[in-house]
Amino acid sequence: QITLKESGPTLVKPTQTLTLTCTFSGFSLSTSGVGVGWIRQPPGKALEWLALIYWNDDKRYSPSLKSSLTITKDTSKNQVVLTMTNMDPVDTATYYCARVDYPYYFDYWGQGTLVTVSS
Amino acid sequence: NFMLTQPHSVSESPGKTVTISCTRSSGSIASNYVQWYQQRPGSSPTSVIYEGSQRPSGVPDRFSGSIDSSSNSASLTISGLNTEDEADYFCQSYDSSSVVFGGGTKLTVL
Repeated sequence: QITLKESGPTLVKPTQTLTLTCTFSGFSLSTSGVGVGWIRQPPGKALEWLALIYWNDDKRYSPSLKSSLTITKDTSKNQVVLTMTNMDPVDTATYYCARVDYPYYFDYWGQGTLVTVSS
Repeated sequence: NFMLTQPHSVSESPGKTVTISCTRSSGSIASNYVQWYQQRPGSSPTSVIYEGSQRPSGVPDRFSGSIDSSSNSASLTISGLNTEDEADYFCQSYDSSSVVFGGGTKLTVL
């Protein structure tokens, strides 16, 4: 059974850095063809892809957010971490992590975590 | 980069068939796979179609996907509609290094 779960702060202040952790089970990020990605969804709005990392440590970022994002993996802990710098109220959203079947199919999703950016 | 455009909303009666379109703004729709996700209120997205026309295990064959190169669009068709199908549907595709989601379509079954 494949599961993913996001964790991190529910409230951050403007200009702060957000760090989110995706902890997963039921698969390994050392398996060829597997990746983990992050997607967010502002309240009532569409999904927006942020970043993903593959089994071979290849990383991809949304062109519009690339300068503020960093994605890393810890294969031994079954975790993927996303950091986003200089948070703004417009970044208020539910943040999801999802398993990626190469190249870009999000086949299993976490429950999501709501992050509010407010002073 | 490119965009994927979906109708904001569609509605249809139970038992009927509905088709949701997803039009790619630039580049060929056939050049990269299209996925479709269903998101019920308060829930995470789940996949209903991948690689254009493949159904994940557990998704009923009432769901089908296709592409139309002439309109540069992908389509999700749901037949035999029931109230459980009422949800938001998002298409997704990619290019050489980026992933794009459509704006989503709210399906109402009434």
